[in-house]
Amino acid sequence: EDKVVQSPLSLVVHEGDTVTLNCSYEVTNFRSLLWYKQEKKAPTFLFMLTSSGIEKKSGRLSSILDKKELFSILNITATQTGDSAVYLCAVETDSWGKLQFGAGTQVVVTP
Amino acid sequence: NAGVTQTPKFQVLKTGQSMTLQCAQDMNHEYMSWYRQDPGMGLRLIHYSVGAGITDQGEVPNGYNVSRSTTEDFPLRLLSAAPSQTSVYFCASRGDYSRQYFGPGTRLTVT
Repeated sequence: EDKVVQSPLSLVVHEGDTVTLNCSYEVTNFRSLLWYKQEKKAPTFLFMLTSSGIEKKSGRLSSILDKKELFSILNITATQTGDSAVYLCAVETDSWGKLQFGAGTQVVVTP
Repeated sequence: NAGVTQTPKFQVLKTGQSMTLQCAQDMNHEYMSWYRQDPGMGLRLIHYSVGAGITDQGEVPNGYNVSRSTTEDFPLRLLSAAPSQTSVYFCASRGDYSRQYFGPGTRLTVT
């Protein structure tokens, strides 16, 4: 059975802190790993990772994949209150785009 | 482009009633899917379609039916609503490079 596990389930940080979110996976067929941000509405796409060791960056967010150890991390530096959201990790498990999601990490950034 | 649209935004049903959640996309995507999201559980795949006339079951298909007569539309039918189907439902379509586009969601309550 395919499984995606995110940790921690929730965390509270102060503005300016750095946050590291973890996603580990066990799937029979790995094609890519995706990160989404969800703020009380539909998930919005952040990153797609397919190769180990290559960091993807977008502003204060970055992510990296380790295909040997089967995990990914999402970093958010210099957090702002607008970063408060649920961050979802998903693994694409077939060529059509079937996604297996983790439960998400709820991040709360306090002023 | 409207992207992925869903109707209705909110719905309250009584146990045993049936209804159809509508989903449409105008991006000519072949792959479409339905997810449900429950607190603390991420998104779980209900049904998906890889093109008009082709559908398949996901992780939690019981109690739901789908059909895909056109590329644009992918309705989800609840046959006989149960309180366990109270959830937020998201429709998604997949474009290039594994990027999935989510609709705004339908919040369904079954009493």
